[in-house]
Amino acid sequence: EAGVAQSPRYKIIEKRQSVAFWCNPISGHATLYWYQQILGQGPKLLIQFQNNGVVDDSQLPKDRFSAERLKGVDSTLKIQPAKLEDSAVYLCASSYRQAMNTEAFFGQGTRLTVV
Amino acid sequence: DAKTTQPTSMDCAEGRAANLPCNHSTISGNEYVYWYRQIHSQGPQYIIHGLKNNETNEMASLIITEDRKSSTLILPHATLRDTAVYYCIVRSTSGTYKYIFGTGTRLKVLA
Repeated sequence: EAGVAQSPRYKIIEKRQSVAFWCNPISGHATLYWYQQILGQGPKLLIQFQNNGVVDDSQLPKDRFSAERLKGVDSTLKIQPAKLEDSAVYLCASSYRQAMNTEAFFGQGTRLTVV
Repeated sequence: DAKTTQPTSMDCAEGRAANLPCNHSTISGNEYVYWYRQIHSQGPQYIIHGLKNNETNEMASLIITEDRKSSTLILPHATLRDTAVYYCIVRSTSGTYKYIFGTGTRLKVLA
């Protein structure tokens, strides 16, 4: 079974530029998560989708971050404009369903460096 | 959301059992305990989860105390490849069942 795919693996941009990350979850997984992991910290949830609907975006900086999940499958996370403090690893995860007894699987992440 | 407390770091000799503790004193009755680990430059990897009974799989064992206020992840025969950050997570019952990560325990397996 293929895992969660993310691209690109690495991205370097200048501040005030825009950037987009792509995630392809495991086939059949209804729940999709985007996390931000700053160096030395645990992952922080940015947004959670159930199929193509948002169920939690309370930690998403909506003035600069946006995310969508068209057709309930692939998802993109965009930052516009980027700030230096956005330098982090962006992790995508998926799970079969939104339930307490269902584990999530993570992708390798995209490492973003803002200079 | 229930909070978890883990030691910042631990060492373990290769071939010995690694016992990683976690305190979650505010856990509620229907919240699960999950363990993930993150090896350098990779995404978190699922290890095991449980509600109240002890659980075992091919990777590890999870021991949850009777009052459910703490748990221990046991790696029975640690290898160098088990060196990683281990996260203990109590999943929220707020309706979205999200995973809230802390800072985890950095386990170093020594040769």
